Amino acid sequence: NAGVTQTPKFRILKIGQSMTLQCTQDMNHNYMYWYRQDPGMGLKLIYYSVGAGITDKGEVPNGYNVSRSTTEDFPLRLELAAPSQTSVYFCASSYDRTITFHNSPLHFGNGTRLTVT
Amino acid sequence: RKEVEQDPGPFNVPEGATVAFNCTYSNSASQSFFWYRQDCRKEPKLLMSVYSSGNEDGRFTAQLNRASQYISLLIRDSKLSDSATYLCVGPVSGSYIPTFGRGTSLIVHP
Repeated sequence: NAGVTQTPKFRILKIGQSMTLQCTQDMNHNYMYWYRQDPGMGLKLIYYSVGAGITDKGEVPNGYNVSRSTTEDFPLRLELAAPSQTSVYFCASSYDRTITFHNSPLHFGNGTRLTVT
Repeated sequence: RKEVEQDPGPFNVPEGATVAFNCTYSNSASQSFFWYRQDCRKEPKLLMSVYSSGNEDGRFTAQLNRASQYISLLIRDSKLSDSATYLCVGPVSGSYIPTFGRGTSLIVHP
């Protein structure tokens, strides 16, 4: 059981380049999330999805796009990379949260360290 | 006001000490939370959930104070391996989407 898998682990981009961060989970979770974490800060929600075909913006969505064509996959797209997007990106998944919050903990991938120069 | 707020610390304690830190929240309707542990910008890992009157797991005790809108994490008999950042997670107001505090850094020294 792999859990949540993110690729790549590290990436260096030049300003203006684009890339896709991959995230897949094998736990049949409906909910998936993308967070970014800057040094010394907590995790900020970029986008989330409550099921295949449904996505919504989080706290910091500008400069990113997502899609959710299957339950398993939730890729994050950076179209025009900027230095402000240098960060560590975490993908996470959870069961349906609408029943009780505390019964649906987040399961995280290992993260992607992205540097934009 | 942020949904979930934490003192970033660091809390610097000797081995064997008892340490506690709090997390305040703004969503008065919230009834449950999580504490996660994060090592050196690795992925956060679930420590324990917090709801109702609280939760205990070995040396760790988490409690929810709904009247004052904070949750606490108590660590007894601190170990060097407890050194990490502890993240408080609660639901965003009006939804079940989880939002994180910025974390509290704990350093346990010999």
